[in-house]
Amino acid sequence: GAVVSQHPSWVICKSGTSVKIECRSLDFQATTMFWYRQFPKQSLMLMATSNEGSKATYEQGVEKDKFLINHASLTLSTLTVTSAHPEDSSFYICSAPTRTPRGTQYFGPGTRLLVL
Amino acid sequence: SQELEQSPQSLIVQEGKNLTINCTSSKTLYGLYWYKQKYGEGLIFLMMLQKGGEEKSHEKITAKLDEKKQQSSLHITASQPSHAGIYLCGADMISGGSNYKLTFGKGTLLTVNP
Repeated sequence: GAVVSQHPSWVICKSGTSVKIECRSLDFQATTMFWYRQFPKQSLMLMATSNEGSKATYEQGVEKDKFLINHASLTLSTLTVTSAHPEDSSFYICSAPTRTPRGTQYFGPGTRLLVL
Repeated sequence: SQELEQSPQSLIVQEGKNLTINCTSSKTLYGLYWYKQKYGEGLIFLMMLQKGGEEKSHEKITAKLDEKKQQSSLHITASQPSHAGIYLCGADMISGGSNYKLTFGKGTLLTVNP
């Protein structure tokens, strides 16, 4: 199957700092990528859709100024958590769909963020 | 209410036993995806179903989508400890949509005791 990587795999930062997470499709191009957040023992919550060449689309309740998304190329999307606070601590996962078969999304390994 | 209901929430089985996980929606499922996740890791794609009545198998795992395309089941035969993990169903509920946006169920935590 297709491969999606994420970097870093985990990060610890101080409250008030910004953290950037990268999502890369390694062997295919993705004009769209998705960012999810997952709390312990809960399912995935879609945060936003990253679109190459245009602005990201955010889900209701997700602060766009807090979670900045940039789809820099057909293989890279970044999520920046700005002025991070302890409540932003979570597991962040990205996914990217391949062109064929339609809609099959491959997921990155996730990034665990801990804000102190 | 949850758009995609997954059941059971957790399941503990003895090694060698069969089990079934269900995923149900009140809306038409235009694409239904099954993933497996180990805690703290990413999701591993298992299978995708699109047609009513479709059934796919891989090794000891079989997934089905009903004719009405509103319910899917994942069946594991002769379970092994390696099957343990969280199983998630994800669904594309947009007809003719091309944005690949998926809605996920809450997941089923499977424990297989040796």
